[in-house]
Amino acid sequence: AQSVTQLDSQVPVFEEAPVELRCNYSSSVSVYLFWYVQYPNQGLQLLLKYLSGSTLVESINGFEAEFNKSQTSFHLRKPSVHISDTAEYFCAVKPGGFKTIFGAGTRLFVKA
Amino acid sequence: EAGVTQFPSHSVIEKGQTVTLRCDPISGHDNLYWYRRVMGKEIKFLLHFVKESKQDESGMPNNRFLAERTGGTYSTLKVQPAELEDSGVYFCASSPVSSYNEQFFGPGTRLTVL
Repeated sequence: AQSVTQLDSQVPVFEEAPVELRCNYSSSVSVYLFWYVQYPNQGLQLLLKYLSGSTLVESINGFEAEFNKSQTSFHLRKPSVHISDTAEYFCAVKPGGFKTIFGAGTRLFVKA
Repeated sequence: EAGVTQFPSHSVIEKGQTVTLRCDPISGHDNLYWYRRVMGKEIKFLLHFVKESKQDESGMPNNRFLAERTGGTYSTLKVQPAELEDSGVYFCASSPVSSYNEQFFGPGTRLTVL
């Protein structure tokens, strides 16, 4: 069965520091990969996605993620975080079909 | 363009009562999904509609949950009778036929069963 593991439940970091949120998945088939973000009191928003092509994908607000097939990972990174990046981040996979499988989420706390 | 909307945003009910959650997908999206997040755990798939037809309801916990999508527009998820373990955040999402890989999520309904 497919599953997604987010290795850190909470990540505290100081403003302007780099951050990496780790995500590993298990799947026996090719997958599509996603990172969603949920800001306080808001819904889930798609941050970035990997469907095919370049293994490095970027978002409009400076996040990037790299698909590593051999390590079955899709870690999310940002070189310099802002207070406004404080949110919960969800890694997700679609192994085919319509069902999306989510990780348990990582709470990112950015401190001044 | 309006996004996916859900009503209510919060609901607090007592065990044994009935609650109905509503989801309005993005106009023109044939695919509609329900997900649930319980106790800070992972978000889990409940079911998927294509228009008014249920395509996959493998994630529905038990027969106390009933989902409908009248006329292929909005959808309702009824819990009857509610139990304590039903507490959580219920998310709805929709996607068009042309790009079903990206699902657009609503803000969720936070359900608390006392």
